[in-house]
Amino acid sequence: GAVVSQHPSRVICKSGTSVKIECRSLDFQATTMFWYRQFPKQSLMLMATSNEGSKATYEQGVEKDKFLINHASLTLSTLTVTSAHPEDSSFYICSASQGAENTEAFFGQGTRLTVV
Amino acid sequence: GQQLNQSPQSMFIQEGEDVSMNCTSSSIFNTWLWYKQEPGEGPVLLIALYKAGELTSNGRLTAQFGITRKDSFLNISASIPSDVGIYFCAGGGGTASKLTFGTGTRLQVTL
Repeated sequence: GAVVSQHPSRVICKSGTSVKIECRSLDFQATTMFWYRQFPKQSLMLMATSNEGSKATYEQGVEKDKFLINHASLTLSTLTVTSAHPEDSSFYICSASQGAENTEAFFGQGTRLTVV
Repeated sequence: GQQLNQSPQSMFIQEGEDVSMNCTSSSIFNTWLWYKQEPGEGPVLLIALYKAGELTSNGRLTAQFGITRKDSFLNISASIPSDVGIYFCAGGGGTASKLTFGTGTRLQVTL
């Protein structure tokens, strides 16, 4: 399967600071990338859909000014958690799709964010 | 957001036993995917299904896309300890659309 790399795998930051998470498709061009959040022992909840060259589409209840998404190239999308607070601590996962019909999504390794 | 109903929620089985889990939805999907997630990792794709009624195998894993497009099942035969993890189904609408995930099945395998 295709390879999606996410960085960093773990990050600890102070409350009030911002954190940037990168998602890269290593061996294919991803016209669409997705950002998920996962709380312990729960399923993945979609936060936003990131389309190369255009604004991200956010799911209901997700603050777009808090979770900034940039998809500047066909191989890179970034999620920036701005002014992080302890309640933002979670496991963030990206996935990427090639955009063709019936294309499955491949996931990154995830980023464990801890805000102290 | 919407989630698919996945059952069972958890399973404790002995090595060598077969496992079956399923996923149901009130909505129709054009694609059904099955993923496995291990602690601290992202989900890994196991099987992708694209046609209603399709039955697909990947080693000891077999999955089927329900004829109504509203359900799917995953079977694991002759389980081994490395099968431990959380299995998620996901339904998609096609053309790189966003996926809707199931609630997950936590599998534990004892020796």
